[in-house]
Amino acid sequence: EVQLVESGGGLVQPGRSLKLSCAASGFTFSNYYMAWVRQAPKKGLEWVATISTSGSRTYYPDSVKGRFTISRDNAKSSLYLQMNSLKSEDTATYYCARRTPPSYFDYWGQGVMVTVSS
Amino acid sequence: DIQMTQSPASLSASLGETVSIECLASEGISNDLAWYQQKSGKSPQLLIYAASRLQDGVPSRFSGSGSGTRYSLKISGMQPEDEADYFCQQSYKYPYTFGAGTKLELK
Repeated sequence: EVQLVESGGGLVQPGRSLKLSCAASGFTFSNYYMAWVRQAPKKGLEWVATISTSGSRTYYPDSVKGRFTISRDNAKSSLYLQMNSLKSEDTATYYCARRTPPSYFDYWGQGVMVTVSS
Repeated sequence: DIQMTQSPASLSASLGETVSIECLASEGISNDLAWYQQKSGKSPQLLIYAASRLQDGVPSRFSGSGSGTRYSLKISGMQPEDEADYFCQQSYKYPYTFGAGTKLELK
């Protein structure tokens, strides 16, 4: 059974940093692109980052480019999201998702809440 | 960026009623479109991909269609468990973008 379990969320002040983790199991992690998608409270979904199987290629929207870094450790079947210079508008539930070819998200974690507030 | 305009924002359907939700892309996306269902307090679930392909395990009352810039999700026979938010997503080009969502309620 595919499982994605996020951790690392919490309350953080504006301008500070936070690192999210996602532990994957039930599939060959190194064979799949992975992604982070977020959802602000009572709002829609926003794609945040995607990483290739080896980690050599990463993709971001302009809203987080230069502040967020996606990475992975295939040996540990783990995905990460380093978030720097956090803003109030980054407040959201962050989901780890498996990307299935060509570019859809077929499995999602339960989500982790990040609140950016002073 | 490709804008995805989803309509309606909300709708209410009776048991057994057929409902449709539409997404209009700001440019052609060559059927690179997915539909997700998100029940209250839960994570999104993939329903349809490549505009019309049913994800494994999804009931056959769900179907997708469309081409070019216009796509739709149809539920043939509303069931109580279909009460949820529905989102479309284009994967034609980065940045991937989602529609604003449709809230479907049982009347």
